[in-house]
This record gives sequence, C-alpha cells and structure tokens, in this order.
Amino acid sequence: EAGVAQSPRYKIIEKRQSVAFWCNPISGHATLYWYQQILGQGPKLLIQFQNNGVVDDSQLPKDRFSAERLKGVDSTLKIQPAKLEDSAVYLCASSLDRDYVLGELFFGEGSRLTVL
Amino acid sequence: QKEVEQNSGPLSVPEGAIASLNCTYSDRGSQSFFWYRQYSGKSPELIMFIYSNGDKEDGRFTAQLNKASQYVSLLIRDSQPSDSATYLCAVSPSSNTGKLIFGQGTTLQVKP
Repeated sequence: EAGVAQSPRYKIIEKRQSVAFWCNPISGHATLYWYQQILGQGPKLLIQFQNNGVVDDSQLPKDRFSAERLKGVDSTLKIQPAKLEDSAVYLCASSLDRDYVLGELFFGEGSRLTVL
Repeated sequence: QKEVEQNSGPLSVPEGAIASLNCTYSDRGSQSFFWYRQYSGKSPELIMFIYSNGDKEDGRFTAQLNKASQYVSLLIRDSQPSDSATYLCAVSPSSNTGKLIFGQGTTLQVKP
C-alpha cells in the first residue's frame, strides 16, 4: 500500500515569496491533516480536512496560509508571502477514521521549507 | 500552561537499561494517548497508543496512563542504540475531532 506522498521534499525561498506544497493521502483515507514542525518542537496542526470540508483551521495563519483539498483527495498548502518564521517542515498526514479513538495518523516524509 | 508537556532532554541511558519517558496533559477530558517515534530528519511513526488507565505492553515498550494525574509515560526495556530518537507524546483532545496535539518531544540517546 502506497504511503502519504508529499512534494517538494525541500524548498528554499526568499522572504515575501510564495510557495506551495502538495500532498496525496493514502487511498481511502477521508481525513487529511497539515502539521507544521519547527526545529526542536512537536508538530502543530495547521488544518484538518474531512473529505473536502474543513474540520479545524483554528491555528492556520489565514492572512498568509491557505489550503484546499479538491475532490476530497489530494491537498495543497500555500504560503504567501512567506516570513522567516515559516521555516519548518510541513507534514501531511492522513487517517481512516474521524473518530480518533480508533484511528491512526500516517505521516508523509514532509516538505522542508527554508525562508531566507 | 502547554497542552501537552514533555521534558525535551536529552535523556541518556546505557544500552540494555530501561528508558522512562514522561508526558503530562492539561485537557482532563482527553480520551486517547499516543507515543510517536521520530528519527532525525524523518517523519513521526506510531509506536503505542493507550486509552484505559493502567499499563499496556507491546514487546519492549510499555505505555502507562493515569487519567486522574493527567500523566502518560513510556518505558523502553533493554534499550538499544537503534532506539535513539525523539519520542513525541500526542493526545486526542476532548473535542474528539480526530486531531492530535503533540508535545515538544523527548530526545533519547542510548549509548553502547
């Protein structure tokens, strides 16, 4: 079974530029998450989708970050304009069940962003 | 107060020893608790989950949960150098939307 696919793996941009990350979850997984992991910290949830609807985006900086999940499958996370503090690994994860007592998050390899 | 707290370490133990990793959480209504392992430069992978008070054993790993004290721990017996990694405690909050809240992680170093 194919895992969670993410691209690009690495991206270096100047501040105020824009960047987009793509994620394809495991087939059949209804729930998709984008987490931000800053070096030395644990992952922080940015946005959670259930199919193509948003369940939680309370910690998404909406003035610069946007995300969409077209047709309830793959997803794109965009940052525009980027700030230095956005340097982090952006992890996409998916799960089979919305009821997390039963579910498990499967993470992709992550997209490492460096903002100069 | 952070929602999920862990000592960042590093925790250093000799090979063959027991490593004890601890985690506290603030949401008393949390139902499910997870331990993820993250090797340097890699993504987190689930190693244990627990949602009942008491102990749960899986091979060399034992998860312990005390909801009254809002405390979760992970014991690793017969620690191996390959166990050297960052261990992330994660909690499913009472809102039960499926998201996980992660602690900052504890770095474990197992020395040969």
